[in-house]
Amino acid sequence: DTAVSQTPKYLVTQMGNDKSIKCEQNLGHDTMYWYKQDSKKFLKIMFSYNNKELIINETVPNRFSPKSPDKAHLNLHINSLELGDSAVYFCASSQLRDADEQYFGPGTRLTVT
Amino acid sequence: QQQVKQSPQSLIVQKGGISIINCAYENTAFDYFPWYQQFPGKGPALLIAIRPDVSEKKEGRFTISFNKSAKQFSLHIMDSQPGDSATYFCAASPGRGSTLGRLYFGRGTQLTVWP
Repeated sequence: DTAVSQTPKYLVTQMGNDKSIKCEQNLGHDTMYWYKQDSKKFLKIMFSYNNKELIINETVPNRFSPKSPDKAHLNLHINSLELGDSAVYFCASSQLRDADEQYFGPGTRLTVT
Repeated sequence: QQQVKQSPQSLIVQKGGISIINCAYENTAFDYFPWYQQFPGKGPALLIAIRPDVSEKKEGRFTISFNKSAKQFSLHIMDSQPGDSATYFCAASPGRGSTLGRLYFGRGTQLTVWP
């Protein structure tokens, strides 16, 4: 039973393309997050949603658009991909609206060529 | 600006030794300090966390020491094992408030435990 799942695990695409990453959690949590981990392993929050409401929107290019169809799903759509978007993207979820224990998914390694 | 500063960047310890990773912060609004462990190809997983009302928290071989006045906290891994080899991240959060759920991560420490 995977708590937080992401698809795909690997994504290789060319510059200028549009791609989506999907995330689902079966923990019954009401808050979900997207993080970006760069090549130096630095983890930075991008977005968080609580009950489908956007709570945190970091300084992220508006080519990145999160969508939460319900509180168990948070997808990330990226338009016009750039080389600098290459990274590992992690979805996470937590029980409470504060920084309670966050459960991370396995990550999606995005490579833009 | 880096909200949480972590050192060292990498650490090599012999099996059975003590691993110590240090973190420092400036924002006095932080009131939740977790440590995450990440193995290659996996997502980070919560290891242990502390709130500033206590100065130490121990779970098995893992201990967080917290110094509120110095705005520093550290992770101690006793009797380090090869299976502990991973990247460790400290983090901090203001908890409830306008920046709900926002974890600020340190840059990570790559721990290698030699058998």
